[in-house]
Parts: sequence; structure tokens; C-alpha cells
Amino acid sequence: EVHLVESGGGLVQPGGSLRLSCAASGFIFSSSSMHWVRQAPGKGLAWVSRIANDGSGINYADSVKGRFTISRDNAKNTLYLQMNSLRAEDTAMYFCARDKPVAGINMEVWGKGTMVTVSS
Amino acid sequence: DVQMTQFPSSVSASVGDRVTITCRASQDVSVYLAWYQQRPGTAPRLLIYPASSLQSGVPSRFSGSGSGTDFTLTISSLQPEDFATYYCQQGNSVPPTFGGGTKVEIK
Repeated sequence: EVHLVESGGGLVQPGGSLRLSCAASGFIFSSSSMHWVRQAPGKGLAWVSRIANDGSGINYADSVKGRFTISRDNAKNTLYLQMNSLRAEDTAMYFCARDKPVAGINMEVWGKGTMVTVSS
Repeated sequence: DVQMTQFPSSVSASVGDRVTITCRASQDVSVYLAWYQQRPGTAPRLLIYPASSLQSGVPSRFSGSGSGTDFTLTISSLQPEDFATYYCQQGNSVPPTFGGGTKVEIK
């Protein structure tokens, strides 16, 4: 069974940093593109970033470009999101998701999420 | 970026009702349109992708249609477990963008 488990969330002050992790199991991690998607409290879904299966292709939402860095370690079956210069508006539940290996961009399987709160 | 507009933003319905949710893209996204269900306090679940392909394990009362800019999600006979928020998402171009969501509530 495909399983994604996020960790690393917590309370951080504005301007601070946090590194999220997403541990994958139940599928060939190195064959899948992966995403981070976030959801602010009471709000809708917002895509954050995507990384290709081999790490060669990376995209970011404009709202996080230059502050967040997505990466992966295929040997450890783990996806990461390094978040720097955090702002109050980054407060959200962060989900990792696997992209179904078909044409177009989708989020086939999701983790349960990890909460990030940016506040002084 | 492609803007996704969903309507209605909420709908009140009874068990057994037929419910239709519409999603409109600001430009042609071909058939690269996904529908997700999110129950309170849980992660989203992919129901349909691309536009009319039901994911494995999703009940057949769910169906999707459309291409280009106009899409619909239909629940043919609403069940208690279907009360949730539904999101569309275009997958034709980066950044992938979501609609604002449609909350299906109990009447």
C-alpha cells in the first residue's frame, strides 16, 4: 500500500526556518514525481512545489520562490521541503503527494500532513 | 497562471439527491482536470483524473465530464459519507491550480 508520512512541522517565529520531510513507502519512490501542497486554516488547497523523479525538474509557486527549496533522497525514499524566511502567511497544513505517472499534473496519493505555524 | 472557478461554493442536499459541481478554467486545459474530495480533518483524496476517469476504489456514483474549459463532477445519489468539500485542479500547466472548493452539506 502506498504510504506517505510528513514530519517536521511546528511553531516557528517569522523569519525562521523549518525543514519538512515526507517518508514514502509501498511504491518505487525513484519513479515518481512528488509535490508539496498546503492548506491554510479554513482555506482551500494551494500547490507549493514539485520535483521530478530524478530531481532534475523543479517548480515552485511564486509565493515561495526564493525562500523554499524542494529536494529528495531516492536512496532514503524521502522528500524534503526546506522553508526559509518564513512569514505568517506560510501558516498552513503541508501535505506531500505523489504524482500519478500519466500525462499532466495530479496528486494521486496524499500524506496526512504536518502543521506549520509561523507566529511570534 | 490558469484560474479555476468552481460553483457553487456550497450546496445543501439530502441523502439520495443528485449533486452537480461545475469547474471552469480561464484557458483550455484539455482533459487534464482532477477532482478531489476532502472530509474535515483529513487529507484530500483523488476521485477523478483525467477529467472523466474514475480512480480505483471510488464508487461509481461519482462521475466527471468535460474538456477544454468546462467540467462537471456529478454525484448521482448522495450518500452520508459524501458530505465533504470537493476541489477541482488543472494539471495542464505549471503551476497546477485549484478551484476554491465546493462544500456539500447536509440539508
